[in-house]
Amino acid sequence: EEQLLESGGGLVQPGGSLRLSCAASGFNFANYAFSWVRQAPGKGLEWVALHYNLYGGPRYAESMKGRFTIFREDSKSTLSLQMNTLGAEDTALYYCAKSPTDNAGFSYWYFDLWGRGTLVTVSS
Amino acid sequence: SYELTQPPSVSVSPGQTATITCSGDKLWDKYVSWYQQKPGQSPGLVISENHKRPSGIPERFSGSKSGNTATLTISEAQALDEADYYCQAWDSSSYVFGTGTKVSVL
Repeated sequence: EEQLLESGGGLVQPGGSLRLSCAASGFNFANYAFSWVRQAPGKGLEWVALHYNLYGGPRYAESMKGRFTIFREDSKSTLSLQMNTLGAEDTALYYCAKSPTDNAGFSYWYFDLWGRGTLVTVSS
Repeated sequence: SYELTQPPSVSVSPGQTATITCSGDKLWDKYVSWYQQKPGQSPGLVISENHKRPSGIPERFSGSKSGNTATLTISEAQALDEADYYCQAWDSSSYVFGTGTKVSVL
């Protein structure tokens, strides 16, 4: 069974840092692009960052650039998100999500698998 | 930045048809996907690339697009279809989600 399992969330003070992880299982992690998507309490979905598979590197939502870093370790089937200079506006449930690919390995730009999320709370 | 607009809420009676719209600039030129999110759960894909239904998604879910408006239609709505629904597109190397629509079946 294909699964994504996020971890690393918690309570952090404003200005602090946190690293989230997403462990994948049940499929060949290296073949796919992955994203982080967040959802503030009672709010909608917001895309945070993307890491392509072998055909490219990271992309970020404008408001995350310079503060967040997405990286992947294909050998460990793990996606990570390093978050720095956190503010109250970053309080959210953070989901890891997978994009499917075609036979040539190019990504389709939607998400066919989501994790359960890990909660980040920024508060003093 | 690119925006996708959805109605905040849609109400439908059981067995009737619910229609959720998603509007955006030049949407005619983009693929639109739809996600269902029930309370306390992760989002799940119900329609990809405008109209494709993943395996396991009931036939009562269908997607279409005309001009700059995409539509998710839920035919013969059931109580278990109560959820938030989000459209999503790809623009300038970024994923963009719609504002979300809460569907009530009552």
